[in-house]
Amino acid sequence: DAGVTQSPTHLIKTRGQQVTLRCSPKSGHDTVSWYQQALGQGPQFIFQYYEEEERQRGNFPDRFSGHQFPNYSSELNVNALLLGDSALYLCASSSQVIGTGELFFGEGSRLTVL
Amino acid sequence: AQSVTQLGSHVSVSEGALVLLRCNYSSSVPPYLFWYVQYPNQGLQLLLKYTSAATLVKGINGFEAEFKKSETSFHLTKPSAHMSDAAEYFCAVTPRGNTGKLIFGQGTTLQVKP
Repeated sequence: DAGVTQSPTHLIKTRGQQVTLRCSPKSGHDTVSWYQQALGQGPQFIFQYYEEEERQRGNFPDRFSGHQFPNYSSELNVNALLLGDSALYLCASSSQVIGTGELFFGEGSRLTVL
Repeated sequence: AQSVTQLGSHVSVSEGALVLLRCNYSSSVPPYLFWYVQYPNQGLQLLLKYTSAATLVKGINGFEAEFKKSETSFHLTKPSAHMSDAAEYFCAVTPRGNTGKLIFGQGTTLQVKP
């Protein structure tokens, strides 16, 4: 049973560029959440997608946007990159049917903005 | 608003000694509580979760945690530390019925000395 998979694992961008990160949820899961983890910090909730719609959003600017596809996979897009966007971006999946709040995390995509 | 406080950003124990990582939460309603572990350059792995009336929760790798409502705490313990336990540990909280949006603490780095 494949877990949560993310791509790419590492990438380097320059300020002002745009980036797209991808996530495939664990089999049987229908909800994808994205988190930003800055160095030495706990993960911060960006947003959550369910039924192809953004259901919840954390305190992140509109430069951060996302999408969920019919197969439940998801993308995170960040526009106009800033140095402060450098972080590990974690995707997590869960099931609305099994509502215990447990998340399964991917290995993350490490973004470096120069 | 919910929040999580992890007391001690760095904990050092000797191999074979008791591990105690502290977590206090703030929530207006009974929450779900989680402990996750993160090894270097990896995503987060669930250690254990509190989602029911059973206040003592056993997790993987010999870890357990006790939910104490009166103290709003959910401390993580392990009777005997192993070198492989060295990692970053995160306590997280979410309201019941709200899957996907976890509020994480800042994390505690566990060092295990030989």
